[in-house]
Amino acid sequence: GENVEQHPSTLSVQEGDSAVIKCTYSDSASNYFPWYKQELGKRPQLIIDIRSNVGEKKDQRIAVTLNKTAKHFSLHITETQPEDSAVYFCAASVTGNQFYFGTGTSLTVIP
Amino acid sequence: EPEVTQTPSHQVTQMGQEVILRCVPISNHLYFYWYRQILGQKVEFLVSFYNNEISEKSEIFDDQFSVERPDGSNFTLKIRSTKLEDSAMYFCASRGPVPANTGELFFGEGSRLTVL
Repeated sequence: GENVEQHPSTLSVQEGDSAVIKCTYSDSASNYFPWYKQELGKRPQLIIDIRSNVGEKKDQRIAVTLNKTAKHFSLHITETQPEDSAVYFCAASVTGNQFYFGTGTSLTVIP
Repeated sequence: EPEVTQTPSHQVTQMGQEVILRCVPISNHLYFYWYRQILGQKVEFLVSFYNNEISEKSEIFDDQFSVERPDGSNFTLKIRSTKLEDSAMYFCASRGPVPANTGELFFGEGSRLTVL
């Protein structure tokens, strides 16, 4: 089955700096890659997603890039704010049915 | 905004007891899921359900687990004889009527299961 690796497991940045989280996947058939944000004690919520026919997608301060050849995708958060502090999970889906999640990155934005 | 709701929010049970976790997915969604998250670890897929039957399940979802959609609104996860290692946060999720390979998962707030 699909294996999704995520790095780093923890990340601390100063407010205003950028944060980058990277994921790799193993199944070249995966074609949908969402990112979820989970605040402490709350449910995971989708923040951005990308499909395999697109190399990059941006939504305000958040962007995701996908390199299908290398089988990796990354989340970029610019101008970080304290409210960006959370655990971020990447995921990959082949069938759109079973989503394989990464191990999570705990992001701390230091004011 | 419609939400996935789960009950109970926290359940403590003795090893060997049966547990039922309940979920009410978003009303026009067609795909339903259970995931679990052991403390500090990744979100792990358990099972997906579509058209009143299991569509996929993981290795974790063994014979101790079962799912049902008994009345068209609730979606339940039953653990027949709980083990210590079943202690985790269990998330229900649903997905709308979109084609395969697309679509946002909407998660419930989770049910924390503690097995003693």
